Amino acid sequence: DTEVTQTPKHLVMGMTNKKSLKCEQHMGHRAMYWYKQKAKKPPELMFVYSYEKLSINESVPSRFSPECPNSSLLNLHLHALQPEDSALYLCASSQGRAPLNQPQHFGDGTRLSIL
Amino acid sequence: GQQVMQIPQYQHVQEGEDFTTYCNSSTTLSNIQWYKQRPGGHPVFLIQLVKSGEVKKQKRLTFQFGEAKKNSSLHITATQTTDVGTYFCAGSSNAGNNRKLIWGLGTSLAVNP
Repeated sequence: DTEVTQTPKHLVMGMTNKKSLKCEQHMGHRAMYWYKQKAKKPPELMFVYSYEKLSINESVPSRFSPECPNSSLLNLHLHALQPEDSALYLCASSQGRAPLNQPQHFGDGTRLSIL
Repeated sequence: GQQVMQIPQYQHVQEGEDFTTYCNSSTTLSNIQWYKQRPGGHPVFLIQLVKSGEVKKQKRLTFQFGEAKKNSSLHITATQTTDVGTYFCAGSSNAGNNRKLIWGLGTSLAVNP
């Protein structure tokens, strides 16, 4: 069982659709992350929120828009995605002090397919 | 740029054999984390090493951090089929106040029963 919950587990969308991925954690963590993972590759960092503020954006295209409504929730809004954006999208959380230096707890991920 | 090299890329062993994966960084790390990802699963945190020369054990798993804090290893004694998965190291660097977590490419372990 994972303490980081991601919904939906699977998502198929067209290139003109708008959808959102959701992540929730109740571990009291103050840092939350979005990663993209392609098959047989390591997770690739996209965004980091620390204390509800965006602290890292790894030059992600604007068709991905993160949002952190509160310390437990993290969203990733998707619009006009490309087929190469098909991947597993992982949410993670950690202690807020010195994110990226702390062990991260991952959700099960959302498997996204772009038609 | 900063890199973390991980070898081997794949390892196929008979159940009961030992297994080791190695990570080498081009720069000094502040710490290194190890994760395991089962096929179809998500990365699961195993351990974090912080001190130079540190050695930590978890049952059949032994983790080491090099004296120069540039390399690390994970050794599994007497592998079991439950050890199957991809093992990733991730090195944390604070060079120039620009915090980075650099992931190795992973070692995929297959275990023959």
